[in-house]
Parts: sequence; structure tokens; C-alpha cells
Amino acid sequence: EAGVTQSPTHLIKTRGQQATLRCSPISGHTSVYWYQQALGLGLQFLLWYDEGEERNRGNFPPRFSGRQFPNYSSELNVNALELEDSALYLCASSFGAGRTGEKLFFGSGTQLSVL
Amino acid sequence: KQEVTQIPAALSVPEGENLVLNCSFTDSAIYNLQWFRQDPGKGLTSLLLIQSSQREQTSGRLNASLDKSSGRSTLYIAASQPGDSATYLCAVSGNMLTFGGGTRLMVKP
Repeated sequence: EAGVTQSPTHLIKTRGQQATLRCSPISGHTSVYWYQQALGLGLQFLLWYDEGEERNRGNFPPRFSGRQFPNYSSELNVNALELEDSALYLCASSFGAGRTGEKLFFGSGTQLSVL
Repeated sequence: KQEVTQIPAALSVPEGENLVLNCSFTDSAIYNLQWFRQDPGKGLTSLLLIQSSQREQTSGRLNASLDKSSGRSTLYIAASQPGDSATYLCAVSGNMLTFGGGTRLMVKP
């Protein structure tokens, strides 16, 4: 069974550009979570999608946005990139919001570098 | 707001030692607690999940305990091996999954 897949593995952008990161959850999972892990910092919660709806949002500016598609895959978009957006972006999936306490499964991440 | 703290931040031990990693959280209204392993530059691998109604979970050389009332969890690693070297993260599940800062473990041959 395929795990959570993220693309691209690495992404290099310049300041002011836009970045799009993609995530495919495990088959059967309807919830997708996005986390940012900057160098030397812990995992910071970004966004949670379930059944196509945004369920919760972390303390990030509006230029961080995303969506979830009917097949439950998800995109994270970062507009007007800043140097401090350089980080490992991790996606995780689980069974739906109605089933609390489900285990999260993580992808290998997208390493975003902003020059 | 849930806050999760992990102690120690870093740990270096010789191979074969038994060791304990600690995790504390401020809000006891949680659904579960998970322990993850992260290798450098990689994603997270789930090690153990303890539901809020459970006291412990075991998998191989790993044992995790949960004391919800005191807001604490421990991860016990028996007979540590160099392959155990990684960062270990605990995360508590409430409205969202909140992570601790991790414990960076180095097991020396």
C-alpha cells in the first residue's frame, strides 16, 4: 500500500515568487495536514483539510493557503515567498475528522529553499 | 493553548543502554499521544500511539506510557543500538496535533 507521497522533493525559488507543494494521502484517508519545520525549530501546524473543507489553520499569514481536491489530494501554496519560508514542509494524512484520535502518517516532505 | 515540552533536548549514550525520553503537555484534554521518529531531512515515522484511555503501548524494544492527569508521557528504549540514532518527537492530539521540540538521540557504537 502506498504511503503519503509529496512532490516535489526539493524546490528552489527566489524571494517574491510563488511555490506550490503537493500531497497525496494514503488511500482511504480523507484528512490532510500540513506542517512547516524550519531549521532548528519544531514542527509548526499550518493547515488541516478534511472532505474538501479547511478545518483548522495555524498561526501563519494569509499568503499560506491551500486546498483539497475531490480525490483528497492537497496543494499548499505559498505566495510572495520570503527567505524565512525556507523549511521542510511535511504533509500527513489520517482517516476523517469524524474519527478522532486516528494515527497520522507522514510523507517524506518537500524541502523549500528561498534564495 | 496546548504546549508540549520534551526533555532532554539532546542525548548521547553508548550502545546497549536503556534510556527514557520525556514528554509533558499542559492540557490534559487529549484524544491520544503519538511518538514519532525523524531521521535528518526526512519525514516522520510513527512509532507508538497511545489512546487517552490507555496507560501504555509496546512495540519491540519500545515502550511508551501515558499519565494524562499529570500531563506526562515517557518513551522507554531498551538495549539501544546505533540505528536508533534519530530525533524523537511526541505529539498530542486535541483540536490539532501539537508537537514537542524533540529529543535528538545519538547512540554510539
